[in-house]
Amino acid sequence: EDQVTQSPEALRLQEGESSSLNCSYTVSGLRGLFWYRQDPGKGPEFLFTLYSAGEEKEKERLKATLTKKESFLHITAPKPEDSATYLCAIKGTGGYQKVTFGIGTKLQVIP
Amino acid sequence: GAGVSQTPSNKVTEKGKYVELRCDPISGHTALYWYRQSLGQGPEFLIYFQGTGAADDSGLPNDRFFAVRPEGSVSTLKIQRTERGDSAVYLCASSHPGNEQFFGPGTRLTVL
Repeated sequence: EDQVTQSPEALRLQEGESSSLNCSYTVSGLRGLFWYRQDPGKGPEFLFTLYSAGEEKEKERLKATLTKKESFLHITAPKPEDSATYLCAIKGTGGYQKVTFGIGTKLQVIP
Repeated sequence: GAGVSQTPSNKVTEKGKYVELRCDPISGHTALYWYRQSLGQGPEFLIYFQGTGAADDSGLPNDRFFAVRPEGSVSTLKIQRTERGDSAVYLCASSHPGNEQFFGPGTRLTVL
C-alpha cells in the first residue's frame, strides 16, 4: 500500500529564515510525486510534480527535490504570505489513478 | 477562466439523512476526482472518473457512498444514511488525464 509521511507536522519560521520540509514515501512504482499548498478553508493549490530521482523544480522561493525515498520542499527566505499547509502526494503504478496524500506540514512565517 | 466549483459550500444534516454534493469541473477537463478531508488530515481519495465512467472507485468507504457523472462534466457525490463519522470536507478536483489536479474549495459536511 502506498504511504506518505511528512515532517515536521508544524514549523514556525522567522521571515527570511530558510528551511526544508520532508516527505518520505513508500510506493511500488512511482508515477509522480506532487506538492500542494493549502490555505485554511480552501482546496489544495498545485505547486510541483516530480517524476524521477534527481529531478528538481523551482517556483519563486520554493524548490522541490526528489530521491528514491523522499522529497524535500526547500523554502528560501520565506515571507509571511508563505504561511500555509504544504501537502505531499504520490501516485503509484499499483493504484491506477489513486493519489495518496500525507497529512501535511503547517508552516507559519512570522514577520 | 473559471475554476472548479462545488455546491453547497456548507451542508448540515441529521444522522440517517441523504445528501448530494455537486462538483462543476473546469471546462474541458475529462478527469474528475473526489476526496474527503478530515480535520488535520490530508485529502483521502474516494473515486476517479474519466469521462462518464468511474474508472477507479477503490476509495469509497462503503456502499452508502456513490458518485455519478452522467454527461462527463458535472459530478454528484451521494451519501445515503449519513453517519456522524461522515462529517468532513469533501473536495473535488479536475484535470486533463495525467496532468496536475485543480481543486475546488470543498463542501463542509456536518452530520448531527
